[in-house]
Amino acid sequence: GQQLNQSPQSMFIQEGEDVSMNCTSSSIFNTWLWYKQDPGEGPVLLIALYKAGELTSNGRLTAQFGITRKDSFLNISASIPSDVGIYFCAGQGGPGAGSYQLTFGKGTKLSVIP
Amino acid sequence: DADVTQTPRNRITKTGKRIMLECSQTKGHDRMYWYRQDPGLGLRLIYYSFDVKDINKGEISDGYSVSRQAQAKFSLSLESAIPNQTALYFCATSDSGTGVNQPQHFGDGTRLSIL
Repeated sequence: GQQLNQSPQSMFIQEGEDVSMNCTSSSIFNTWLWYKQDPGEGPVLLIALYKAGELTSNGRLTAQFGITRKDSFLNISASIPSDVGIYFCAGQGGPGAGSYQLTFGKGTKLSVIP
Repeated sequence: DADVTQTPRNRITKTGKRIMLECSQTKGHDRMYWYRQDPGLGLRLIYYSFDVKDINKGEISDGYSVSRQAQAKFSLSLESAIPNQTALYFCATSDSGTGVNQPQHFGDGTRLSIL
């Protein structure tokens, strides 16, 4: 089946720094999604990307859908303490997969040092 | 997402017991999903439903069953719980939509511990 490699697994950064994380896949997806999960809560959708090459922003967050449709990155600018959490990428759809089908990365745990 | 409500939020039970987890949504979505989250493994799909009484197996359905008797409700049952079913369980919903893949929206989860 489809697999996603998400990196880094964890990162510690200073408040105010920029953050970058990415996901790569062995197969193509029709949609890339980025979620954030806080402790004790469910994943919350941050950004959805629908076209290869698409670059989308949501406040201090920017994500891109790779041209090959096999990768995506998420950047966070000027990090703040509430950015702490686990960030998940997810690929949706693709050849041989239903349009509903999500494949999740294993997450990037972000810690922000004040 | 407050529009997707899971009950209970936490449950501790013993091996062999029958357990039901409930999910209800006010988003008006037709599609509903149950996932399991384990440390280091991410989220894995257990069952999904595209409409009332429509049931489909996901990646890891063994040991679980589901029921979709109304559009807004989707319940997950463990008929005879075993310790390796200890995990975080999430319900999600999405709209069927047209043209683009509709993203899924998650509830806040049920933490299930089986002793």
